[in-house]
Amino acid sequence: AQSVTQLGSHVSVSEGALVLLRCNYSSSVPPYLFWYVQYPNQGLQLLLKYTSAATLVKGINGFEAEFKKSETSFHLTKPSAHMSDAAEYFCASRRAGGTSYGKLTFGQGTILTVHP
Amino acid sequence: GAGVSQSPSNKVTEKGKDVELRCDPISGHTALYWYRQSLGQGLEFLIYFQGNSAPDKSGLPSDRFSAERTGGSVSTLTIQRTQQEDSAVYLCASSLMAHAPQETQYFGPGTRLLVL
Repeated sequence: AQSVTQLGSHVSVSEGALVLLRCNYSSSVPPYLFWYVQYPNQGLQLLLKYTSAATLVKGINGFEAEFKKSETSFHLTKPSAHMSDAAEYFCASRRAGGTSYGKLTFGQGTILTVHP
Repeated sequence: GAGVSQSPSNKVTEKGKDVELRCDPISGHTALYWYRQSLGQGLEFLIYFQGNSAPDKSGLPSDRFSAERTGGSVSTLTIQRTQQEDSAVYLCASSLMAHAPQETQYFGPGTRLLVL
């Protein structure tokens, strides 16, 4: 069965500092991987996705993530945090084939706090 | 263009009552997904539709939960005899098709259900 693990339920950074949110996946076949952001009382918005075309994926709002098969990781980074980045971030995976490939499997989420 | 819409945005009900939650997907999207977000369980997949059929219902937590989709568009999630543990945010998402796992799932704002 697939699983996604996000290390750190809370991450706090200073404005202008590097943001690093960690995600590891468990799957025998590299899945498709997604990062979503959720602002308070809103739905999920896609930041970026890995679809095997390139291991370094650039997304919206200056975020990027690198797929590392050897580490089964897909960590999200942003060079310089902005106050508006404060939100909850979810890593998710989706199977490349077989049964039950329609659904996204989510990590537990990481709440990012940005302080001045 | 219009995104995924859900109604109602908030629902308060008494234990034992039935509730219906509605989702309007993005026009032209053939795949529709239901997820549940709760404090204890995080984001969980419930069911997805490709057209009007539901290939994967594996996430429905009990037989009190059911969903249907008619006309390949609007979907309704019904919870019968609600219990307090059903309190959660119910999120709907849609994508162009389910058989393309790289496709982005676009999420609605959710319905916040509170069972008293």
